[in-house]
Amino acid sequence: AQSVTQLGSHVSVSEGALVLLRCNYSSSVPPYLFWYVQYPNQGLQLLLKYTSAATLVKGINGFEAEFKKSETSFHLTKPSAHMSDAAEYFCAVIGEGGSEKLVFGKGTKLTVNP
Amino acid sequence: EAQVTQNPRYLITVTGKKLTVTCSQNMNHEYMSWYRQDPGLGLRQIYYSMNVEVTDKGDVPEGYKVSRKEKRNFPLILESPSPNQTSLYFCASKQRGMGTEAFFGQGTRLTVV
Repeated sequence: AQSVTQLGSHVSVSEGALVLLRCNYSSSVPPYLFWYVQYPNQGLQLLLKYTSAATLVKGINGFEAEFKKSETSFHLTKPSAHMSDAAEYFCAVIGEGGSEKLVFGKGTKLTVNP
Repeated sequence: EAQVTQNPRYLITVTGKKLTVTCSQNMNHEYMSWYRQDPGLGLRQIYYSMNVEVTDKGDVPEGYKVSRKEKRNFPLILESPSPNQTSLYFCASKQRGMGTEAFFGQGTRLTVV
């Protein structure tokens, strides 16, 4: 069965520092991978997605992620953190079965310190 | 504006009292689904629907019902809520297809006492 592992339930960075949020997936078929962001008291918003085109995917708000098949990873990065990036981030995969179900990781809460 | 609308946003109820959380989308999406979000567990799918009158169980369907009589609406029904259904619920919709973006509602925070 498909699964997603996000390393680190909490990540804290200083404003201006590199943001790196880790995501590893397991899938028996070529996956479709997504990163969603959840701001406090809001729903989830798509940051970026990988759908088997370019392995380096650029998203909104300066985020990007690189699909590495050999490492089964899809880590999210941003060169310079802003205070407004403080939120919870979810990695998700679709691929196996016919249900088109998003399988989510448990989330990583990002704190940005001034 | 393209959106998924859930109501209510907050609900406190008592064990056993039937409730319905409504979900409506204005994007003409065929696929709709319900998730629950619990601390440390991420989001888990409850039910999904690929089209009108077509629904199926997700990973955690026990204690829930859904219906899809119209394309835009996908209500979540708790016939006899229990405290373990206290959670944050999200409705989502998307076009059919593996790589399509899911759009989420604002969430419904349900407390069952």
